[in-house]
Amino acid sequence: ELKVEQNPLFLSMQEGKNYTIYCNYSTTSDRLYWYRQDPGKSLESLFVLLSNGAVKQEGRLMASLDTKARLSTLHITAAVHDLSATYFCAVGMGLGGGSQGNLIFGKGTKLSVKP
Amino acid sequence: EAGVAQSPRYKIIEKRQSVAFWCNPISGHATLYWYQQILGQGPKLLIQFQNNGVVDDSQLPKDRFSAERLKGVDSTLKIQPAKLEDSAVYLCASSLLSYEQYFGPGTRLTVT
Repeated sequence: ELKVEQNPLFLSMQEGKNYTIYCNYSTTSDRLYWYRQDPGKSLESLFVLLSNGAVKQEGRLMASLDTKARLSTLHITAAVHDLSATYFCAVGMGLGGGSQGNLIFGKGTKLSVKP
Repeated sequence: EAGVAQSPRYKIIEKRQSVAFWCNPISGHATLYWYQQILGQGPKLLIQFQNNGVVDDSQLPKDRFSAERLKGVDSTLKIQPAKLEDSAVYLCASSLLSYEQYFGPGTRLTVT
């Protein structure tokens, strides 16, 4: 059974600081997703990582994937209050067989950026 | 491009009552997913459709949950009878390819 673990689960940051959220998963996968969820809202896709060594950046967020270590990171640079939200990583199940495209989500990291 | 639509947005029912949720995916998306998100947790897949066929329903509590996707477009998810532990947000997502899923706004269900 594929398991996805995120840490930390809660993160309180000062504006302007840097921090990294970690996502570990238990079995081989070639797809890793990062989503953002604001309170009472749905999931917004941030990054889709499809290969070992993939790195993507958007604004103050940068995501990377190491499939050999089964690890993805979401790095936050110079945090601002607008980044306060819950961030989920999700691992894609294999594209073969009957579970094409299924995502297994971590529990999420609740980020709070304080002035 | 219109996103994934869901209704209702909120629903409050008593335990043992029935409830149904509706989802309209993005036009042309063959794959449709229903997820359950309990407060403080990540979404968990309940069922996946490819066109109007079920691909994976291994985590759907079939004694009380049912879902259908007639004509390969809209889908409904039903709970009958509801239990207190069914209180959650029910998210519908769709995808054109298997790589990226687009989520709807969700239906927040409260069972009292």
